[in-house]
Amino acid sequence: AAGVIQSPRHLIKEKRETATLKCYPIPRHDTVYWYQQGPGQDPQFLISFYEKMQSDKGSIPDRFSAQQFSDYHSELNMSSLELGDSALYFCASSLAEWSREGPHEQFFGPGTRLTVL
Amino acid sequence: GDSVTQMEGPVTLSEEAFLTINCTYTATGYPSLFWYVQYPGEGLQLLLKATKADDKGSNKGFEATYRKETTSFHLEKGSVQVSDSAVYFCALSRGSSNTGKLIFGQGTTLQVKP
Repeated sequence: AAGVIQSPRHLIKEKRETATLKCYPIPRHDTVYWYQQGPGQDPQFLISFYEKMQSDKGSIPDRFSAQQFSDYHSELNMSSLELGDSALYFCASSLAEWSREGPHEQFFGPGTRLTVL
Repeated sequence: GDSVTQMEGPVTLSEEAFLTINCTYTATGYPSLFWYVQYPGEGLQLLLKATKADDKGSNKGFEATYRKETTSFHLEKGSVQVSDSAVYFCALSRGSSNTGKLIFGQGTTLQVKP
């Protein structure tokens, strides 16, 4: 079965550089979530999109922006990178956000490991 | 705000031992509760979920019951295997804003020794 695809899997950047992370959701999934997991930390919600519109925003720095495109893939753009941005970035997709029985299951990608030197 | 608290790890058990990982939550209303598992170098996988009070989620021998009176969702397994070694995250999703974002606990590392 098709899974969530994230690219690249690993990324090394210098401070103050920019990075773009891509997420390709499971076919027919219209909702994408981005999470950031620091070393030894729990994943923190950054931002989500439903039908190409931003649906929720968490603790995402102003230096970061994201969007969802017409084919439902999403990109997370990170500028002026800082050492503290080094983390594992997960994308998750789901079929809509909510049903009568509760939230739809989120399927997670393998993550992009960003290292800022 | 909403939050999830898990017991600290690592939890080290021998194979076939009984497992309990405690999870409590703080949230208004009626959140949905989840357990996710993360194997080394991989993304998170949904292990089980419960969407209302007294629901029991179960999968692969793991169980957790949604206890609203104690705001808990403890994970249990009767007999662990070495292959269960992973990091386990308790999470909640609250639909007041109708988004499905997940709020995670700190994670508990489980090490099972043969």
